[in-house]
Amino acid sequence: QSVLTQPPSASGTPGQRVTISCSGSSSNIGSNTVIWYQQLPGAAPKLLIYNTNQRPSGVPDRFSGSKSGTSASLAISGLQSEDEADYYCAAWDDSLKGWVFGGGTKLTVL
Amino acid sequence: QVQLVESGGGVVQPGRSLRLSCAASGFTFSSYAMHWVRQAPGKGLEWVALISYDGSNKYYADSVKGRFTISRDNSNKKLYLEMNSLTTEDTAVFYCARDASGSGYNWFDPWGQGTLVTVSS
Repeated sequence: QSVLTQPPSASGTPGQRVTISCSGSSSNIGSNTVIWYQQLPGAAPKLLIYNTNQRPSGVPDRFSGSKSGTSASLAISGLQSEDEADYYCAAWDDSLKGWVFGGGTKLTVL
Repeated sequence: QVQLVESGGGVVQPGRSLRLSCAASGFTFSSYAMHWVRQAPGKGLEWVALISYDGSNKYYADSVKGRFTISRDNSNKKLYLEMNSLTTEDTAVFYCARDASGSGYNWFDPWGQGTLVTVSS
């Protein structure tokens, strides 16, 4: 059971916009920034969004992050086949004094 | 370029120990906190441990506290994870990752390619 809660799966057709939610608590998302990682099949995770809504250089602006209270979201617009991957949210937890991850969301591009 | 290369994985019997290493290159290793993150087969990511840039602060997931020890050698640009009393639940790919800061509270980038630890009799 992960501390952060994500839907196990999401899907969309090419060109569509999809969102992935991440629910936490006051000790993690509620008081710290949210990070999103993308893991392509067979690869190591890669940083996708940091500081809740910032994109590292090289990440397309189709990817965006947001947060409200103790929940966060990752939005992907103009869905492409290469976006098919697992997506994980993460945050520092002040109570646990450690990092917590969501269980991951498998995105399928139909 | 920034690179992290893990090594030391393999098959180990339950109750035994194993030490993982992570060799860093392409950046000032001594300025950054480092993490170990693991992923059991077919499962999600689980943060394991964090060590600050100078080794003065260490944090562990409850699942490994008391059994695993994170350490670093800044002069040789290496990160370590000493794992004791291993159980089958510890079977996973272990990744090392650099934090964006010296404290370890920011984000993980980049990640290594991972090393597989299989605990089996």
